[in-house]
Amino acid sequence: KQEVTQIPAALSVPEGENLVLNCSFTDSAIYNLQWFRQDPGKGLTSLLLIQSSQREQTSGRLNASLDKSSGRSTLYIAASQPGDSATYLCAPLEDYKLSFGAGTTVTVRA
Amino acid sequence: SQTIHQWPATLVQPVGSPLSLECTVEGTSNPNLYWYRQAAGRGLQLLFYSVGIGQISSEVPQNLSASRPQDRQFILSSKKLLLSDSGFYLCAWGGQLQETQYFGPGTRLLVL
Repeated sequence: KQEVTQIPAALSVPEGENLVLNCSFTDSAIYNLQWFRQDPGKGLTSLLLIQSSQREQTSGRLNASLDKSSGRSTLYIAASQPGDSATYLCAPLEDYKLSFGAGTTVTVRA
Repeated sequence: SQTIHQWPATLVQPVGSPLSLECTVEGTSNPNLYWYRQAAGRGLQLLFYSVGIGQISSEVPQNLSASRPQDRQFILSSKKLLLSDSGFYLCAWGGQLQETQYFGPGTRLLVL
């Protein structure tokens, strides 16, 4: 059974600082890995998807890396803004099923 | 474009009462459908998934059941709710290839 761990559980930074969110997973036989954002009381919004054959994926200020063999992924958010405040979830996909970590809750202070 | 709907948005039910949550998807055909639960302070847990009409797989033993009466409709049910059934229920759909899943707005269930 896939176990996903996200560190840190919470993060508070001043506006403009870069963010580094870590994710580890136990079973490396994944098809892809996705990062999602969840605002309080809302559903999930997909941010980035990295295929298992890729090492990195970028979208605007977001960059995600994947080291499948070691079971790790990192989400980098450059020049954080108050609007980036949310919970970020990492989810590896295998056999058509996503496994989720508990998330990292980010607060960006203006 | 594809859209996923869930209702109701919020629900307060007494212990022992029945439950029916509905999820529908528009703009795609033959999707894989998923029910997840997010308990307070915990990660999302996959409850059920379906690859076609009438085909339901359960991921965890529980007080809940799921049905897929139509291609783009997924229903989560219970005959008798427990306090531990409280949580945020999310429906998602994905294509037949293993790409991203798209999530609905969720239903917040409080069992008292």
